[in-house]
Amino acid sequence: GAGVSQSPSNKVTEKGKDVELRCDPISGHTALYWYRQSLGQGLEFLIYFQGNSAPDKSGLPSDRFSAERTGGSVSTLTIQRTQQEDSAVYLCASSLGRLPLHFGNGTRLTVT
Amino acid sequence: QKEVEQDPGPLSVPEGAIVSLNCTYSNSAFQYFMWYRQYSRKGPELLMYTYSSGNKEDGRFTAQVDKSSKYISLFIRDSQPSDSATYLCAMRYAGGTSYGKLTFGQGTILTVHP
Repeated sequence: GAGVSQSPSNKVTEKGKDVELRCDPISGHTALYWYRQSLGQGLEFLIYFQGNSAPDKSGLPSDRFSAERTGGSVSTLTIQRTQQEDSAVYLCASSLGRLPLHFGNGTRLTVT
Repeated sequence: QKEVEQDPGPLSVPEGAIVSLNCTYSNSAFQYFMWYRQYSRKGPELLMYTYSSGNKEDGRFTAQVDKSSKYISLFIRDSQPSDSATYLCAMRYAGGTSYGKLTFGQGTILTVHP
């Protein structure tokens, strides 16, 4: 596709369940980023991948959060034992160089 | 205190008005400054970015950076209803491996009335 694709667009889950969020970056983009946007908050950095380098995980809020990027393309963000405070829009972005970051439309996660 | 402060608004202006959006920041290590526009239920899209102090113009949009005051602005001339969106400032450090970490402001909600 022409842009960053994220799925699902909406996810409702019960507290304590695990969820997986998927991101398909723009073809050929070497860098991939995950951000989180909570109601009334700006975007919060979670993690980024650059080529074959070790990912920068410094923004992950707890060890319940993890992400992987397979084959330098698709990425999955996994949240284990979801909590209500995890409810947010999870945004993925990719870039060829350092800028610009091209964002997807996000996955809206609701934990009930 | 947040590293980047942005008035969330909301800001409401008539069509044709000049809009001024602003952010202040506390970390003098920020070197790259960006403005993103985000429509409802969409991802942010990059409008403009500048390096260090100065002005940059692109059509109806002008970005200004004043590093001495730790203050950045985005001006929109001849505002249109299609400019109605949330505007997010963002910034990052120069060099190293931190270029993936953008620090965002809270976002300002702008509505332009016909």
